[in-house]
Amino acid sequence: GAGVSQSPSNKVTEKGKDVELRCDPISGHTALYWYRQSLGQGLEFLIYFQGNSAPDKSGLPSDRFSAERTGGSVSTLTIQRTQQEDSAVYLCASSLKGPIAKLFFGSGTQLSVL
Amino acid sequence: QQQVKQSPQSLIVQKGGISIINCAYENTAFDYFPWYQQFPGKGPALLIAIRPDVSEKKEGRFTISFNKSAKQFSLHIMDSQPGDSATYFCAATTPGNQFYFGTGTSLTV
Repeated sequence: GAGVSQSPSNKVTEKGKDVELRCDPISGHTALYWYRQSLGQGLEFLIYFQGNSAPDKSGLPSDRFSAERTGGSVSTLTIQRTQQEDSAVYLCASSLKGPIAKLFFGSGTQLSVL
Repeated sequence: QQQVKQSPQSLIVQKGGISIINCAYENTAFDYFPWYQQFPGKGPALLIAIRPDVSEKKEGRFTISFNKSAKQFSLHIMDSQPGDSATYFCAATTPGNQFYFGTGTSLTV
């Protein structure tokens, strides 16, 4: 596709369940980012993948959160034992590596934990 | 710790007026300062960006003013239109392409 694709667009789950959020970056983009946006809040950095380098996981809020990127393309963000405070929009972005990186965002996954 | 501080949190401007959003940073390693625009239900999209060796960049009705010594930069929207109503995020990036975003400004025209 032409842009960053995220699925599902909406996810409702029960507290304690695990969820997986998927991101398909723009073809050829070597960098992939995950951000979390809570209602009325800014963009909270979660994790950053750049090519084959070890990911920057410094933004993951707890060990319930993990992410992987297979084959340098598709990425999955997994949240285990979801809590109500995990409710937010999870945004994925990708970019080319270069002196000036421009992020291209997907439309996000709205996660609601009941 | 918020790496990039953005104000105001919300802004209401009359049609045809000038919208001004301000950001400040501390880390002198930042080398690129983009602004993103986000409409409801959509992801943010790059609007305009500036490098620190330039004091001003203009694209249509949108202008970034950059003050390196003060470590501040701002977005000016001239002749603001209802279609400009959105949330605006400033950001700063490191040479390693790590992005730090401000907390956003909700603009209503």
